[in-house]
Amino acid sequence: ETGVTQSPTHLIKTRGQQVTLRCSSQSGHNTVSWYQQALGQGPQFIFQYYREEENGRGNFPPRFSGLQFPNYSSELNVNALELDDSALYLCASSLDRVGTEAFFGQGTRLTVV
Amino acid sequence: DQQVKQNSPSLSVQEGRISILNCDYTNSMFDYFLWYKKYPAEGPTFLISISSIKDKNEDGRFTVFLNKSAKHLSLHIVPSQPGDSAVYFCAARWANAGKSTFGDGTTLTVKP
Repeated sequence: ETGVTQSPTHLIKTRGQQVTLRCSSQSGHNTVSWYQQALGQGPQFIFQYYREEENGRGNFPPRFSGLQFPNYSSELNVNALELDDSALYLCASSLDRVGTEAFFGQGTRLTVV
Repeated sequence: DQQVKQNSPSLSVQEGRISILNCDYTNSMFDYFLWYKKYPAEGPTFLISISSIKDKNEDGRFTVFLNKSAKHLSLHIVPSQPGDSAVYFCAARWANAGKSTFGDGTTLTVKP
């Protein structure tokens, strides 16, 4: 039990639609990172938020965007869904920006058809 | 260009024996390395880490070794237990960066 919860656990969307994934971090954790994990691969960094501001971004297009809220919750939004967006999306929270230990949620499995 | 590589997709060992999981990296700027364990339908769980100023870190049955000149690290599990069966991810980061770069994982199976 990491104290990080994600919703929904599974989701099916149609190509071209928009999706919002949610994460509730551990209380007191100011940093949340989002990762995409394709089948058979390791998690790939999408972006990180620290105290509600973006604090680093991986090689993902602008249609991937996020928000972090003062109550330690956050969102990942993906517009214009493509088939290749089908993956497990993980959020991870940590105490600070460096965050030597990140606590992951169980992930949201997104399928785009 | 994959900066963190786990070249063995799977490993099978007998209960009680040693499990050795390997990881190679290419970016010499990495200065902190982590191992995560992942069970099906769960998120990765932090296992153990090592700073680049050390060459060994031990926590119970788990030991991580770092060879900076070879850009190689390994995770040793002794003795291996069936509950250790999971996917193990190696990850690396550099100073003051929250982003971790992950390998593709090694599936460990410990047979009773």
